[in-house]
Amino acid sequence: GESVGLHLPTLSVQEGDNSIINCAYSNSASDYFIWYKQESGKGPQFIIDIRSNMDKRQGQRVTVLLNKTVKHLSLQIAATQPGDSAVYFCAESRSGAGSYQLTFGKGTKLSVIP
Amino acid sequence: KAGVTQTPRYLIKTRGQQVTLSCSPISGHRSVSWYQQTPGQGLQFLFEYFSETQRNKGNFPGRFSGRQFSNSRSEMNVSTLELGDSALYLCASSSGQANTEAFFGQGTRLTVV
Repeated sequence: GESVGLHLPTLSVQEGDNSIINCAYSNSASDYFIWYKQESGKGPQFIIDIRSNMDKRQGQRVTVLLNKTVKHLSLQIAATQPGDSAVYFCAESRSGAGSYQLTFGKGTKLSVIP
Repeated sequence: KAGVTQTPRYLIKTRGQQVTLSCSPISGHRSVSWYQQTPGQGLQFLFEYFSETQRNKGNFPGRFSGRQFSNSRSEMNVSTLELGDSALYLCASSSGQANTEAFFGQGTRLTVV
């Protein structure tokens, strides 16, 4: 079935290193992708998004890469900080679906080692 | 600018009871979506409301229902609660237009005993 999934459920990185979180999607009709960060006890927080007509987008310390050929999405966090420890979700959306619906991956837990 | 507000934050109910959860979206947003989050299934789409109309529905039984008011505030209701309904229920607010950000509330933690 169509789904959005993640390669790794957990990721541990040293403070100051760069983190890379990966996501595979199978719905080729998806044209909008979002990364969310969820801290314990909180709702998902928007990090960055990318449209399917782009292959890279940069934010503050974060970069999202989209490879439509292999249906792969990644989130790169530069100079990872303890405050980056959280669960990260990728989500996809299809603009032609007639409504606003996000399909989420299972999530990757990022732990930053001080 | 106020964020998405969900009430209550925590709720404990008994099997067979019903529950109503509330969501106030960001001012100006007309779309409210509801998601269920559990450790086993992750984040799953329940339904989306736009301008008081349900535009889309996920794969959940009819015990799960919702509505949206003219001020865009939304409620979801779960009847005949089951133990498996224990979850974090999240509400997302957006303009409703394609390819735009969705902002989530902190969620309502429902525990069914």
